[in-house]
Amino acid sequence: QKEVEQDPGPLSVPEGAIVSLNCTYSNSAFQYFMWYRQYSRKGPELLMYTYSSGNKEDGRFTAQVDKSSKYISLFIRDSQPSDSATYLCASMKQNAGNMLTFGGGTRLMVKP
Amino acid sequence: GAVVSQHPSRVICKSGTSVKIECRSLDFQATTMFWYRQFPKQSLMLMATSNEGSKATYEQGVEKDKFLINHASLTLSTLTVTSAHPEDSSFYICSARDSGGGTGNTIYFGEGSWLTVV
Repeated sequence: QKEVEQDPGPLSVPEGAIVSLNCTYSNSAFQYFMWYRQYSRKGPELLMYTYSSGNKEDGRFTAQVDKSSKYISLFIRDSQPSDSATYLCASMKQNAGNMLTFGGGTRLMVKP
Repeated sequence: GAVVSQHPSRVICKSGTSVKIECRSLDFQATTMFWYRQFPKQSLMLMATSNEGSKATYEQGVEKDKFLINHASLTLSTLTVTSAHPEDSSFYICSARDSGGGTGNTIYFGEGSWLTVV
């Protein structure tokens, strides 16, 4: 079993929809949680960064972490075609040399 | 946000030659950088952790003599693919931790380098 699991998709939604992307993890030592967006043939771009449980909002993006259920979510409101990309969740332990553990990525397609 | 620059973005080399890829943190110092490899439609696979002023730490199954890593300064790490073969063709991505300021453990990625070995 991978430490961070993510549905590969693809997830196809119409423009304007609310998108919910999810990951589960198995290692309770993970303390930091990130979401990255990766366009085709480009490096990952940091979208959201959270520490421990809770919500964090930035524009159309909201990240949620529920450590009790080991569940990580990213919500995208008013989705746009430009949001079409692969979304990677990542987790990191405290004092672990900053090594990220990635999910496999979910490919999102927002259709106009 | 913080910027990590990779160069070259694309490179084609002949089988048997060596290729160097640079990773620079442009507006912060990075004592630790990471090198990943990504195959099409797959997630990132960590190859090695690059530590400034010391030897890199390689993941299991990654040949350290083939993938040479040098982290000569707080803003530069290089990955050299030696005696490249077509199976080394891949997307190589570096990342760096911004160890200063309020971002704490935030890790930023470079744009990636496409290597094609012919």
